[in-house]
Amino acid sequence: GNSVTQMEGPVTLSEEAFLTINCTYTATGYPSLFWYVQYPGEGLQLLLKATKADDKGSNKGFEATYRKETTSFHLEKGSVQVSDSAVYFCALSERYNFNKFYFGSGTKLNVKP
Amino acid sequence: EPEVTQTPSHQVTQMGQEVILRCVPISNHLYFYWYRQILGQKVEFLVSFYNNEISEKSEIFDDQFSVERPDGSNFTLKIRSTKLEDSAMYFCASLGPWIEGSYNSPLHFGNGTRLTVT
Repeated sequence: GNSVTQMEGPVTLSEEAFLTINCTYTATGYPSLFWYVQYPGEGLQLLLKATKADDKGSNKGFEATYRKETTSFHLEKGSVQVSDSAVYFCALSERYNFNKFYFGSGTKLNVKP
Repeated sequence: EPEVTQTPSHQVTQMGQEVILRCVPISNHLYFYWYRQILGQKVEFLVSFYNNEISEKSEIFDDQFSVERPDGSNFTLKIRSTKLEDSAMYFCASLGPWIEGSYNSPLHFGNGTRLTVT
């Protein structure tokens, strides 16, 4: 079956620190992979995506590379800001089956000034 | 940018009462979903809806739950007899359109309805 596992939080960093949030997946076939971000009181918003192996998704300084060999899609940012404080969700969907998107449990990021 | 809108933002109900959560998905989208999130943590899949019927549902989505798209724009989730454990944030999402062999847009979420069952 399909599932997503991501590191537990909360993660607390100082401003300008390097961020890594780990995500690994189990999937049948060749899934598409996503990172969503949820700011307080809001719904989830797409942060970045990758649809095939070795693709790198990037947005707002965040990056993640689709690693088929390690079944991973770790989220990184070189220098976090206070405004990056949010909950981050790793997700996958099957390539041609859109009935369900699978979400990880979420990782809360707190960035201190 | 088009948005998924959900109403109400907060619903308080007594155990055993029926509630209807409303969503207006993005107009040219084809797939519609309900997810829920308890205590700001895990996002749980409830149901997906395509071509005017349920395409997949989870074990959470039992006989107490139903979905409808009555008029081509609204997408509703009904809980027939609420339980305390139904208290959660309920998110509607939509996906589409299908362009050149893929869905061109990501899954779009509404801001959610916080359901409190007392």
